[in-house]
Amino acid sequence: GAGVSQSPRYKVAKRGQDVALRCDPISGHVSLFWYQQALGQGPEFLTYFQNEAQLDKSGLPSDRFFAERPEGSVSTLKIQRTQQEDSAVYLCASSLNDRGDGYTFGSGTRLTVV
Amino acid sequence: KNQVEQSPQSLIILEGKNCTLQCNYTVSPFSNLRWYKQDTGRGPVSLTIMTFSENTKSNGRYTATLDADTKQSSLHITASQLSDSASYICVPFSGGYQKVTFGTGTKLQVIP
Repeated sequence: GAGVSQSPRYKVAKRGQDVALRCDPISGHVSLFWYQQALGQGPEFLTYFQNEAQLDKSGLPSDRFFAERPEGSVSTLKIQRTQQEDSAVYLCASSLNDRGDGYTFGSGTRLTVV
Repeated sequence: KNQVEQSPQSLIILEGKNCTLQCNYTVSPFSNLRWYKQDTGRGPVSLTIMTFSENTKSNGRYTATLDADTKQSSLHITASQLSDSASYICVPFSGGYQKVTFGTGTKLQVIP
């Protein structure tokens, strides 16, 4: 597609519920990134894929967070047993290569855990 | 540790006025520096990209400067408009895989 598409745009989850956030990167983009952005803060790195390989997951805050990109295109960020501190905007970005060419963000998914 | 500091944290200016936002960074190795505009509830959108050999780059009313020696950058907004109200984030990129470090940004509010 023309841009990075994320869905849903908004998600309200009850504490303890599992959620899945989807990212559809720009067609042909090799690299895909997930970020977590708390209110009033800059994005914080969560994880990075090159094609289907998850090369860096050092930013995932706990083992409740899991990301996958099985066919090297669409990616899903899953959060199990959500907690209130998981409330944030989750941003996905993709780039053509690992040099950052064409680095583009999606509009994000705002997750609110109640 | 890679770090980015932006100032001011927030800024209110009158419509039509100019303003300058500052960014100091410590990133090594350094490949390029990008300024992003992030509207409330949206993802960041790239305004300018500068490599270490570029001192200045313009995009309409936005002009970015870069001093790669002192690791400082600025974003100058000319003749501000209400639609410029947003957060502006400075992002230095390293070579290789782009695990970037974001600053907290400058929140700009343009008032009539």
